Amino acid sequence: GEDVEQSLFLSVREGDSSVINCTYTDSSSTYLYWYKQEPGAGLQLLTYIFSNMDMKQDQRLTVLLNKKDKHLSLRIADTQTGDSAIYFCAENTSFQKLVFGTGTRLLVSP
Amino acid sequence: GAVVSQHPSRVICKSGTSVKIECRSLDFQATTMFWYRQFPKKSLMLMATSNEGSKATYEQGVEKDKFLINHASLTLSTLTVTSAHPEDSSFYICSAPSHLAVAKNIQYFGAGTRLSVL
Repeated sequence: GEDVEQSLFLSVREGDSSVINCTYTDSSSTYLYWYKQEPGAGLQLLTYIFSNMDMKQDQRLTVLLNKKDKHLSLRIADTQTGDSAIYFCAENTSFQKLVFGTGTRLLVSP
Repeated sequence: GAVVSQHPSRVICKSGTSVKIECRSLDFQATTMFWYRQFPKKSLMLMATSNEGSKATYEQGVEKDKFLINHASLTLSTLTVTSAHPEDSSFYICSAPSHLAVAKNIQYFGAGTRLSVL
């Protein structure tokens, strides 16, 4: 089947904004998620958006959803070195099952 | 908040042995849990859905006899990798959905188990 696609790598300088993009596959997904994974660790839920919303803001995080294009983005304002990690988007395609994106490695340099 | 405890965090075993990984929901009950596998520098792939009191549901391509799942209680699911081989080396992560009716769409993830088979 189709993959949930993300760009592999993003490099930004501390203080800049980061935008991580995701193209998902299932237009019937009711929720879309962003997770953060630090090296050797599990997944931390950052935020999620319900499919009938276009935007959700939570402190430094802004999620934009374009259902027509099945495009999801995560913007991190004032990116810090501690934000360096792998970011996964995910969609729930059926009852509580999650399909994860390919992951974007964010590197924040001082 | 709700926590999912997974252990061991790391295991190294010899080829041919079996390894059991535990996933526990702390302070909440989980009739369903999920097991994922993550290859190095890759995404997470759902392996199976663990169902309390009934058989697990495996995703296509996942060997049921190789990856035994037992959901013995409302707070514990185990994944046993039987007769492990080097190609089974991977990062295994479990998750459990929230018990709160208003947060059913939220899943809590364990910290993962890194399995290395020599």
